[in-house]
Amino acid sequence: DIVLTQSPASLAVSLGQRATISCRASESVDSYGNSFMHWYQQKPGQPPKLLIYRASNLESGIPARFSGSGSRTDFTLTINPVEADDVATYYCQQSNEDPYTFGGGTKLEIK
Amino acid sequence: EVKLVESGGGLVKPGGSLKLSCAASGFTFSSYAMSWVRQTPEKRLEWVASISSGGSTYYPDSVKGRFTISRDNARNILYLQMSSLRSEDTAMYYCARRYGSSYYFDYWGQGTTLTVSS
Repeated sequence: DIVLTQSPASLAVSLGQRATISCRASESVDSYGNSFMHWYQQKPGQPPKLLIYRASNLESGIPARFSGSGSRTDFTLTINPVEADDVATYYCQQSNEDPYTFGGGTKLEIK
Repeated sequence: EVKLVESGGGLVKPGGSLKLSCAASGFTFSSYAMSWVRQTPEKRLEWVASISSGGSTYYPDSVKGRFTISRDNARNILYLQMSSLRSEDTAMYYCARRYGSSYYFDYWGQGTTLTVSS
């Protein structure tokens, strides 16, 4: 199984500053010119919500403050600037190989 | 508006069985693959099962042989039949729509809770 390691496990960022979350895969999640890495936001008491698909594509309705980058085994979710509403846990997920797996999550707080 | 509403969760003894349901609306259910994803009490997310629009099913090894995903396209309902339940199956179970061939989950329900305990 592909193991996804997120770092940091938690981070505190001041309003208006940049938050950067990393997701490292134990093997490449690239195929056919695409990176099958996706990012979700989960607020307390809510289900996960898709933010970014295939590494860098912004889901419809998601603010442009969110962006994704990376390829093969190293991926990054960036939130810039951070707003109070962004307090949540963020998860990466790979779909390049069965079984689909998720990272352990990164909890974002406001400093 | 896409809506997914899960039901059927509860408290089950180890070795027992339970069937979850997910009522879908707001999209052409029969055209989409659907999945179940669970979140453990430790907040870890785990893919549990998927079913294609054509009815092909997929499972991780952790539930293969114990869980069965199915769908009723006439009633727009997704099911998860769970048997031989273990304490480690305790989780919130989410129904999710799986998008195309990229296999990400673009819509999620609010979830239903399964507790396996004696």
